[in-house]
Amino acid sequence: QQKVQQSPESLIVPEGGMASLNCTSSDRNVDYFWWYRQHSGKSPKMLMSIFSNGEKEEGRFTVHLNKASLHTSLHIRDSQPSDSALYLCAASRAGGYKVVFGSGTRLLVSP
Amino acid sequence: NAGVIQTPRHKVTGKGQEATLWCEPISGHSAVFWYRQTIVQGLEFLTYFRNQAPIDDSGMPKERFSAQMPNQSHSTLKIQSTQPQDSAVYLCASSPLGGQGAEQFFGPGTRLTVL
Repeated sequence: QQKVQQSPESLIVPEGGMASLNCTSSDRNVDYFWWYRQHSGKSPKMLMSIFSNGEKEEGRFTVHLNKASLHTSLHIRDSQPSDSALYLCAASRAGGYKVVFGSGTRLLVSP
Repeated sequence: NAGVIQTPRHKVTGKGQEATLWCEPISGHSAVFWYRQTIVQGLEFLTYFRNQAPIDDSGMPKERFSAQMPNQSHSTLKIQSTQPQDSAVYLCASSPLGGQGAEQFFGPGTRLTVL
C-alpha cells in the first residue's frame, strides 16, 4: 500500500527564519506531488504542486522534487507567524485520481 | 463560487445510531473524494467518485460505511451503527476531471462525535 512519509513531525522556527519540510513516497509509480496547508480549525488548501524534477518557486515558498528518490521538499523563507499550520504532502500516480496524504508536519513560527 | 459545501458542520450521535453526511461539490467538478481526519491517524482516504461512478472505496470500513453519489450535485456518506472510534472530522473534496494531477478543493468538514 502506498505510503507518504513526512519529516519532521513538528518544527519550530523563529519569525524570519527558514523552514524546511520533507516528504518521501514509497510508491515507485508516483507521478504527482502536492503540498497542502491546513490552518487550525480549517480545511486543507493547496499550496504548491510539482510534477517534474527540479525546483519551483512562488514567493517565499520553494519546492524541490527528485523523482528518482521519490522525494520532495518544501522550503519557506522569511517565515511569518501566519505560516504556522499543518503542512500535508500528497502524491498520486499517473492514470489515477486517488491521492495519498502524509501525516503532516506541524510548523510553528515563533514571533 | 461557494466552494465545496458540507452539511451538517457538527453532528453528535449516540453509540449505535446512524449518521448521514452530505457534500455538494463545486459545480463542474467531476471527481468527489471523502476523507476522515483525526489527530492520531491523520488524513485518511475513504472513497472517491468520478462522474458519479464509484471508482475506489479501498479506504472504507466495509461493514458500516457506505457512500453514494446519486447526481452530480451531491454525495452522501452514511455510517450505520456509529461507534466512538468513528469520531473524526469527515472531509469532502472535489476536483476537476480535466487533468490528472488536478488540485483538490476541500469543504469545511463535518465534525462527527459519537458518545
